[in-house]
Amino acid sequence: QKEVEQNSGPLSVPEGAIASLNCTYSDRVSQSFFWYRQYSGKSPELIMSIYSNGDKEDGRFTAQLNKASQYVSLLIRDSQPSDSATYLCAVNVGMDSNYQLIWGAGTKLIIKP
Amino acid sequence: EADIYQTPRYLVIGTGKKITLECSQTMGHDKMYWYQQDPGMELHLIHYSYGVNSTEKGDLSSESTVSRIRTEHFPLTLESARPSHTSQYLCASSLSHNTDTQYFGPGTRLTVL
Repeated sequence: QKEVEQNSGPLSVPEGAIASLNCTYSDRVSQSFFWYRQYSGKSPELIMSIYSNGDKEDGRFTAQLNKASQYVSLLIRDSQPSDSATYLCAVNVGMDSNYQLIWGAGTKLIIKP
Repeated sequence: EADIYQTPRYLVIGTGKKITLECSQTMGHDKMYWYQQDPGMELHLIHYSYGVNSTEKGDLSSESTVSRIRTEHFPLTLESARPSHTSQYLCASSLSHNTDTQYFGPGTRLTVL
């Protein structure tokens, strides 16, 4: 069974601190990894995508990928109350006509002013 | 911002009714997806399409059907709605390549009484 696992939280972080969100996946051949943010009652929106081992930075967000450990993380620096949301990790399985994303249940992040 | 639309946004309907949830995108994306998401839970893929006249069932068993007669349009139909169909239905689309980002519509919240 291919799975993506995340800690459901809630993860409570003081404003201005670093929030660290983690995700593990089971399919060793996965190649594409995504972090989405979902506000309550809204649809998911892309925060970051990462395809190679290492770090990828975009503004206050850094995605980290370690394929050997089957682990992907998202760091949010200088956390703001507007970052409070559920963060979804998605990982691909299959290729071409069989390509799909498998989604984690999400980690609820709360930024306390 | 992604140009993908869903109607209706909210629907309350009685058991046994036939319903069609509409999804349209103006980005020329080949791939389109339907997900089901219950509150606080992960997204489950119920149908997807890689192009006109191409439709496949996802991992989640569903009593719904889809069609893809035009690139921009991917409606989902429930022939006989039941209370177990009560959920949030999210439509998404992406370009052709395996690594492409999925963009989501605003969702349809369905309640079957």
